[in-house]
Amino acid sequence: GAVVSQHPSRVICKSGTSVKIECRSLDFQATTMFWYRQFPKKSLMLMATSNEGSKATYEQGVEKDKFLINHASLTLSTLTVTSAHPEDSSFYICSASEGLAGFDEQFFGPGTRLTVL
Amino acid sequence: GENVEQHPSTLSVQEGDSAVIKCTYSDSASNYFPWYKQELGKGPQLIIDIRSNVGEKKDQRIAVTLNKTAKHFSLHITETQPEDSAVYFCAAIWAKLIFGTGTRLQVFP
Repeated sequence: GAVVSQHPSRVICKSGTSVKIECRSLDFQATTMFWYRQFPKKSLMLMATSNEGSKATYEQGVEKDKFLINHASLTLSTLTVTSAHPEDSSFYICSASEGLAGFDEQFFGPGTRLTVL
Repeated sequence: GENVEQHPSTLSVQEGDSAVIKCTYSDSASNYFPWYKQELGKGPQLIIDIRSNVGEKKDQRIAVTLNKTAKHFSLHITETQPEDSAVYFCAAIWAKLIFGTGTRLQVFP
């Protein structure tokens, strides 16, 4: 149980284009979903927390207009990287929790590697 | 702000030996401490966790200990195998998950 999927697993795009990444909880309802970014050989950095039906809460330094997050249902959250630039290239990982933000176990997706040319 | 320190950053052991990874956290309100294993190109996988009302927890070859007074917690892997090679992250949670810096474990046959 507690499986989280991400799509796509890898994406390559040109500078200036937008990229959407999907995160789905397959066998449970995710009250809260989280988006992380991970640079090579570094730890995971929380970008934002989202609850179904409400606006995401972004961490300090993360641009809301750059990284659009939508949590439309209890099983789906999307991250859209708008007007992508090479510095946005990274490994993006989502996680999902059945409970309230930050207090319960989080289940992680397999990650999406974004490369912006 | 909240901070989790993790040591060592790299650890090499011979197959069959034990491996220990240590973490300290700054927020005394933290009450949940998960450990994750991350293989190359994949997302983190929860391998064991411990809550603040427990001092030790075991699951086969893996154990975690927690010292709330000292704000330390440790991961112990016994009888290591080559497939244990990965990056391990500790984390502490209070309102959000704060990750340690990671330990790259290599188990040599």
